[in-house]
Amino acid sequence: AQTVTQSQPEMSVQEAETVTLSCTYDTSESDYYLFWYKQPPSRQMILVIRQEAYKQQNATENRFSVNFQKAAKSFSLKISDSQLGDAAMYFCAYRSDQGAQKLVFGQGTRLTINP
Amino acid sequence: NAGVTQTPKFQVLKTGQSMTLQCAQDMNHEYMSWYRQDPGMGLRLIHYSVGAGITDQGEVPNGYNVSRSTTEDFPLRLLSAAPSQTSVYFCASSLGTGFFHEQFFGPGTRLTVL
Repeated sequence: AQTVTQSQPEMSVQEAETVTLSCTYDTSESDYYLFWYKQPPSRQMILVIRQEAYKQQNATENRFSVNFQKAAKSFSLKISDSQLGDAAMYFCAYRSDQGAQKLVFGQGTRLTINP
Repeated sequence: NAGVTQTPKFQVLKTGQSMTLQCAQDMNHEYMSWYRQDPGMGLRLIHYSVGAGITDQGEVPNGYNVSRSTTEDFPLRLLSAAPSQTSVYFCASSLGTGFFHEQFFGPGTRLTVL
C-alpha cells in the first residue's frame, strides 16, 4: 500500500517570503499522480497543483511550484511571495494512475503567514 | 452548477444511533468517494463508487455502508455510531480517472458521537 508522509506539522513564513513544504511517499508503482491540496479555515479542499510521475519537468502554477524527485520519492511545494490568503492546512496526496479515483493523503502541514 | 453538496453540515449523535450523511453532485460525475478527516491523520478513504450500482471499500470501511442507486447521489450510512466515528466527513466526485480529472470536494460534515 502507498503511504504519504509530511514531516512538518507546522510551518510559518513572513509575508512576501518563500516557503517550502515537504512531502515524501512510498510506492512500488512507476506511474502515478501527485497533488497538493489547500484547506483554509472554511474546510473546503482546494487543488493547488498536480504532477504526473512520468513527467520530469516540475509543475508550476503562478506562485506555486513543486520539486519532484522521483528517485527520492519526494514532492515538495514551494510558495513564492507568500500572501496572507495562503494561510491554511496543506495536504500532499498520491493517486495511482490505475483504476478508480483513490487519493492517499499525508498528515498535513499547517502554514501560518506572519504579516 | 451547485457542485458537490453535503447535508447536514453538523451532526451530534449518541452512541448506537444510526444516520445517513447525504452527498449529491450535479456534474454527471461517474466517480464518487467518501473520506474522513481526523486531526493529525489527513483524509482517509472510506468507500468509493465508479458508477451507479458499483461500490467498493477504501482504507477504513468498517462501520460504514454505502450504495449508489443514481449517478447523482452517494449516501454514507452509519448503522450504529461509535465515538471513534467522530470526524469530519468529505464527499468527492470526479468525471474520470485521468490526470486532469480533478476530484471536487464537498464542504464537509462535522459529526460528533457522544
